[in-house]
Amino acid sequence: DAGVTQSPTHLIKTRGQQVTLRCSPISGHKSVSWYQQVLGQGPQFIFQYYEKEERGRGNFPDRFSARQFPNYSSELNVNALLLGDSALYLCASRVGRPYSGANVLTFGAGSRLTVL
Amino acid sequence: DQQVKQNSPSLSVQEGRISILNCDYTNSMFDYFLWYKKYPAEGPTFLISISSIKDKNEDGRFTVFLNKSAKHLSLHIVPSQPGDSAVYFCAARETGGGADGLTFGKGTHLIIQP
Repeated sequence: DAGVTQSPTHLIKTRGQQVTLRCSPISGHKSVSWYQQVLGQGPQFIFQYYEKEERGRGNFPDRFSARQFPNYSSELNVNALLLGDSALYLCASRVGRPYSGANVLTFGAGSRLTVL
Repeated sequence: DQQVKQNSPSLSVQEGRISILNCDYTNSMFDYFLWYKKYPAEGPTFLISISSIKDKNEDGRFTVFLNKSAKHLSLHIVPSQPGDSAVYFCAARETGGGADGLTFGKGTHLIIQP
């Protein structure tokens, strides 16, 4: 069985540009979350989507947006990139709806974004 | 303001011995705590979780202890094996509806010495 897949694995952008990151959850998983991991820090929650609806967002500016498609895949968009957006962006999926038991997430390997 | 704190950036343990990783938290609204392990170039992998109504949960070589009064939890790995060398993240979920995003600590790099 395929796990959570993310693309691209690495990318380099310059300040002010826009980036789109993609995620395919495990088959049958309807909830997708996005996390940002800056070097030396733990992952930080950005968004959660369930059944194509946004269920919540973390403390991130409006430059960050996301959506979930009918097949439960998801995209994360970041506009007007800043140097501080350089990070590993992790996508995670889970089978249940939010708050059904512990939030046991299965993570992808991430997309490494470098902003120059 | 860090709500989940892992105060040891790294920990070195001899193979076969017990590894104890610690985590402190400040938010009384956390209802689940989870431990994840991360190898380089891979995403975090779930290890074990514990509900706030429990004080211990065990799964094979891994045991998590929760002390709610002290707002402290620990992960015990017995016996430690070379494949346990990784970064370990403590994470917590806040009750209350809406998104159940996890709050992570900064991680502890566990090194198992042969």
